[in-house]
Order: sequence, then C-alpha cells, then structure tokens
Amino acid sequence: GAVVSQHPSWVICKSGTSVKIECRSLDFQATTMFWYRQFPKQSLMLMATSNEGSKATYEQGVEKDKFLINHASLTLSTLTVTSAHPEDSSFYICSATREFSYNEQFFGPGTRLTVL
Amino acid sequence: AQSVTQLDSQVPVFEEAPVELRCNYSSSVSVYLFWYVQYPNQGLQLLLKYLSGSTLVKGINGFEAEFNKSQTSFHLRKPSVHISDTAEYFCAVSESQAGTALIFGKGTTLSVSS
Repeated sequence: GAVVSQHPSWVICKSGTSVKIECRSLDFQATTMFWYRQFPKQSLMLMATSNEGSKATYEQGVEKDKFLINHASLTLSTLTVTSAHPEDSSFYICSATREFSYNEQFFGPGTRLTVL
Repeated sequence: AQSVTQLDSQVPVFEEAPVELRCNYSSSVSVYLFWYVQYPNQGLQLLLKYLSGSTLVKGINGFEAEFNKSQTSFHLRKPSVHISDTAEYFCAVSESQAGTALIFGKGTTLSVSS
C-alpha cells in the first residue's frame, strides 16, 4: 500500500506556457502532500506543503504566483508552473503522508519538465 | 530547526564489499530518522526508518542503520553490496511531531563496480 502517482512523467513545453502536474495517492487518503524540486545531482528542495482544502504553505524563496498548488481532495494535489521559462526546467517530485505514518513520506515517481 | 549532513558525496565500492554511508543530524527536539534510495529518474523509496526503541534498524535490500543519540548519527550499512545498489541515497530527519516536513541531506552517490 501507500502508492503515489504523478502525471505526466515527463513534459516538454514552450517558454511562456503553463504546465500542470498531478499528484495522486492511489490507495490511501493523504493527510499532507509535499512538492519538491530536484536539480541534477542535487538533493530535494522543498517547495511547498499542502493540505486538503487549505492554502499551501510555500518555502522561502518560492514564488507562489509562479508555482500554483491546488489540493482539491484527500487524494489529489496539483502543481501548475505558470508562464514557464527555461530556468524552471527541473525534476518535480511530490510526496504524501498518511495518518499514523510517523511523518514517513511516500514519494511519487517524479515529473521531468523541460521548457524550451 | 533540524539539519542533516551526509559526509560523503560519493562512495565508490567493489561488488560484494561492505559499505557505510554516513549521516549526522542536529536537532534540539526528538526526531524521526529515515534513509531513502533514489534510482535514476525515479522518485524516492524508503529503505528504513528509526522512530523509537531499538537503535539498530533493519530495512529492505539488506540495509541496516544504527541510531546513535550521543553522536547524533544514523549511518547506513550493508555487509555486501551488489551492482544493483548503485543509486543515490538520502538521509532525512523530521521532528517527532505529526505533520512536520522531512529535512533531507545532500545525498550520497553509491557506485558499485565489478
């Protein structure tokens, strides 16, 4: 159990367009979902923490108008990269916690975004 | 606030050799500790976790880690590695309060060669 999916697994878009990435907990209700960004050969950088029905909490330095997070249900969170630019190209990973998981996070497979 | 230091950015080893990946943390409160593995272009998979109790924790794929409170360490070990263990390994810490985020170390690249 505790499977998290992401869609799409990769996406290529033109500069100036918006891209939506979905994160779903398939077999459990997520108490909290997290969005990370990972550059090549680097660690995960937490972008925001999201709870169903409430506004996401963004980490310092992350533009909330640039990276829109919607947590519509206990099993779905979306990250929309608005007006994407080449510097937004990265690997985006979501994770989720569930009740009584002692903060263990279950990770999605990631989404590779390339902005041309 | 917590922080995690992974002392080795790269660890090259030969197949069937033992390996230790080092992790030190700092925190003023009690913590949970985790080791995750990431294969290329994939998400993270939990290897093992320490919540409380026995300081020696066994995980998947033959890995184990020992929590040492006095040295604030949580080193990951495997007695005999395989080529398939080649991956990125991340140590992470969180406060032992529900809902707190994980703080990740910078990662250690384990490269196993024959």
